[in-house]
Amino acid sequence: EVQLVESGGGLVQPGGSLRLSCEASGFTFSDHYMDWVRQAPGKGLEWVARSRNKDNSYTTEYAASVKGRFTISRDNSKNSLYLQMNSLKTEDTAVYYCTRDSGGDVYDYWGQGTLVTVSS
Amino acid sequence: AIQMTQSPSSLYASVGDRVTITCRASQDIKNDLGWYQQKPGKAPKLLIYAASSLQSGVPSRFSGSASGTDFTLTITSLQPEDFATYFCLQDYNYPITFGGGTKVEIK
Repeated sequence: EVQLVESGGGLVQPGGSLRLSCEASGFTFSDHYMDWVRQAPGKGLEWVARSRNKDNSYTTEYAASVKGRFTISRDNSKNSLYLQMNSLKTEDTAVYYCTRDSGGDVYDYWGQGTLVTVSS
Repeated sequence: AIQMTQSPSSLYASVGDRVTITCRASQDIKNDLGWYQQKPGKAPKLLIYAASSLQSGVPSRFSGSASGTDFTLTITSLQPEDFATYFCLQDYNYPITFGGGTKVEIK
């Protein structure tokens, strides 16, 4: 059974940093693109970042709103995906979801999400 | 960025009704579109991929179709468990973008 379990969310002050983790199980982690997607309270969904798979050398992509501040990475030995978030802004407040791309340009599995609150 | 314009933003329907939700892409995305269902406090669930393919385990009352840059999710005979928010996603190019969502509420 595929599972994605996020952790690391919490309350942080503007300008601060936080590192999110996503532990994956039930599939060959290195075979899949993995993304972070966020949802601000009462708002729609926003794609944040992508880590491609082994065949694509684990290259990355970022949304313009987070480029230069956030870094996506993965540890395939631990089946884990990470999101290092620096210089956090109040507008980064959201539930952050870890997602798996099926290989067909669609997310077939999502984690339950972890809440990040940026506030003074 | 490709804009996904989803309509309506909300609708009221009764059990047994046929419901149609539309996403219009601002440019050609081929059929790189998925439809998701989200219930409060829960992770989204994939319903349809590649515009019209039914995800395994999803009831057949859900279907998707495409016509150019217009994509439609149809729920035939709405069930009580279908009251939720639905949204589309395009993964044709970066940045990946989502429709604004449609909240299906009980009439």
